[in-house]
Amino acid sequence: GAGVSQSPSNKVTEKGKDVELRCDPISGHTALYWYRQSLGQGLEFLIYFQGNSAPDKSGLPSDRFSAERTGGSVSTLTIQRTQQEDSAVYLCASSLFSTAGLAGGSRTDTQYFGPGTRLTVL
Amino acid sequence: GQNIDQPTEMTATEGAIVQINCTYQTSGFNGLFWYQQHAGEAPTFLSYNVLDGLEEKGRFSSFLSRSKGYSYLLLKELQMKDSASYLCAVPTSGTYKYIFGTGTRLKVLA
Repeated sequence: GAGVSQSPSNKVTEKGKDVELRCDPISGHTALYWYRQSLGQGLEFLIYFQGNSAPDKSGLPSDRFSAERTGGSVSTLTIQRTQQEDSAVYLCASSLFSTAGLAGGSRTDTQYFGPGTRLTVL
Repeated sequence: GQNIDQPTEMTATEGAIVQINCTYQTSGFNGLFWYQQHAGEAPTFLSYNVLDGLEEKGRFSSFLSRSKGYSYLLLKELQMKDSASYLCAVPTSGTYKYIFGTGTRLKVLA
């Protein structure tokens, strides 16, 4: 079946502009994550959605970052007034669901990643 | 707090065996994931360990000791295509998110 898709694959923008990044998770996956990865670095958690629960926004670096997930499917990450330090690859992942906090994790928490959006802020 | 440590970089020769370690501090923990990430690509799932001990899957095996907060990924008969970063991930307690290690960049030399 189809995997996780993200668009655009590349985005170059000028400092101060707003950008929207889109993620289409695997159909039927209730959990959706956004991560940021700078060159040569690990994955930085940004935000997590599961079903109709309130999202976990604890990883968003500033109030310029926001995300929504419509109808429990497609998600959009918005960065307002972009700064050069926002340049990174933004990865989206989905999993069947997440039991991490409830039951300490399970195989159904396996995350499937999209190809990412490479954001460059000039 | 919750933390994961992995070596930054390792180098090995084609055909050899390499062990990539991961130590973590977290509570309420059930299992640990390993992902592989080739340069310029997204991470892909390699293994999940929920029980202590070694799980073998072809050339790749993964070991877990929950009492020691320790895991390793064992890669046998290394191939050039195994050159990639290897990330371990554990669930955080009290939330639904996972924390990832910074990854170990493995270079396989001919």
